Amino acid sequence: NSKVIQTPRYLVKGQGQKAKMRCIPEKGHPVVFWYQQNKNNEFKFLINFQNQEVLQQIDMTEKRFSAECPSNSPCSLEIQSSEAGDSALYLCASSLSRHAETLYFGSGTRLTVL
Amino acid sequence: GDSVTQTEGLVTLTEGLPVMLNCTYQSTYSPFLFWYVQHLNEAPKLLLKSFTDNKRPEHQGFHATLHKSSSSFHLQKSSAQLSDSALYYCALRYTGANTGKLTFGHGTILRVHP
Repeated sequence: NSKVIQTPRYLVKGQGQKAKMRCIPEKGHPVVFWYQQNKNNEFKFLINFQNQEVLQQIDMTEKRFSAECPSNSPCSLEIQSSEAGDSALYLCASSLSRHAETLYFGSGTRLTVL
Repeated sequence: GDSVTQTEGLVTLTEGLPVMLNCTYQSTYSPFLFWYVQHLNEAPKLLLKSFTDNKRPEHQGFHATLHKSSSSFHLQKSSAQLSDSALYYCALRYTGANTGKLTFGHGTILRVHP
């Protein structure tokens, strides 16, 4: 069973609405990733953190997406204004370091934008 | 840029036959290669990871050999089982001082039938 906990499991939003999802990484893992898995099963990297610091993020994340990993709280990914094309499975993963360690994935939040 | 290519979108096999899923990569630096497996409605999980010392990783009957000369890390199993039906991703990641992002291929669906 996955030790990376993602909530909610399912999220349904209307276009233009905010959509927020959360992730609790595996205990002791300082590096957290967010990936989007689309309907074609393709993975798109969105953003990653080491502790509270952003390591890398793509342009899409910089504009409509916001993410944070505050200390002692779950990490979160929020879409400020949802679009139909955002409908996907959002996967959170954590690892021990940024140096080729295994990524441990959560079961994901499935977002549907109507 | 870095990329991972999985040539087959779908592989259908009869139980008991050998499995080979292709993976080739393009990378500026020498990366680590991974195979992740995702069963239906589950989180992706690590199946195999390449070693630095040319050992051949093996897990659950699967194995893969990193061939730097051909930039390949094909996944193989001598005899497919029904429970092997899943989505398989090849991925690469660097060891150096970078963000640690995992770059995925598009995935290969393996369907094993009786």
